[in-house]
Amino acid sequence: ILNVEQSPQSLHVQEGDSTNFTCSFPSSNFYALHWYRWETAKSPEALFVMTLNGDEKKKGRISATLNTKEGYSYLYIKGSQPEDSATYLCASPDGGTSYGKLTFGQGTILTVHP
Amino acid sequence: NAGVTQTPKFQVLKTGQSMTLQCAQDMNHEYMSWYRQDPGMGLRLIHYSVGAGITDQGEVPNGYNVSRSTTEDFPLRLLSAAPSQTSVYFCASSIDDRDYEQYFGPGTRLTVT
Repeated sequence: ILNVEQSPQSLHVQEGDSTNFTCSFPSSNFYALHWYRWETAKSPEALFVMTLNGDEKKKGRISATLNTKEGYSYLYIKGSQPEDSATYLCASPDGGTSYGKLTFGQGTILTVHP
Repeated sequence: NAGVTQTPKFQVLKTGQSMTLQCAQDMNHEYMSWYRQDPGMGLRLIHYSVGAGITDQGEVPNGYNVSRSTTEDFPLRLLSAAPSQTSVYFCASSIDDRDYEQYFGPGTRLTVT
């Protein structure tokens, strides 16, 4: 089982603040890194799937970067809004012989206060 | 497209009862998986399938069985429910487990008393 870790566990910011959080994963046998957004009482929805070292992806005010050599990804939210409040999950598939196993981190809970 | 559907949405079982959680997708995805979500534990993989007729265990498979007779359906069977199986269960599907995003169903909230 891959060790995928996220920090911080939770974050409270004010509306308009920019924020970022981290996902760490093993750099050996890396294959891909997924980010999902999970609102309360809903299902997780994909934000990004990143595969290449140095990848940067953007969707509106949310962007992500990937460093496969050191085993981390950052998710950035610019000008946070209350509707950004959610749990943000990262996940990575096992790039070795265990084909099929996608391991999720425990998530960062973001609360944006108006 | 309906996407990924799960039934039931809610279920209460008594200890020792068995039941099947249904999952179906209409996107012709090869990869399907079941997760459980518990407070403070994130999403943990129970079982997964990389295609019809092929299944394998995830991180927490004990007490659960799966089969994949068609591309569309991936039911999860609880053999003899235990209070430790009280959780929210999510089914997900994808083109594969690596390069493509997972599509999640709405979840089934199961309580075992």
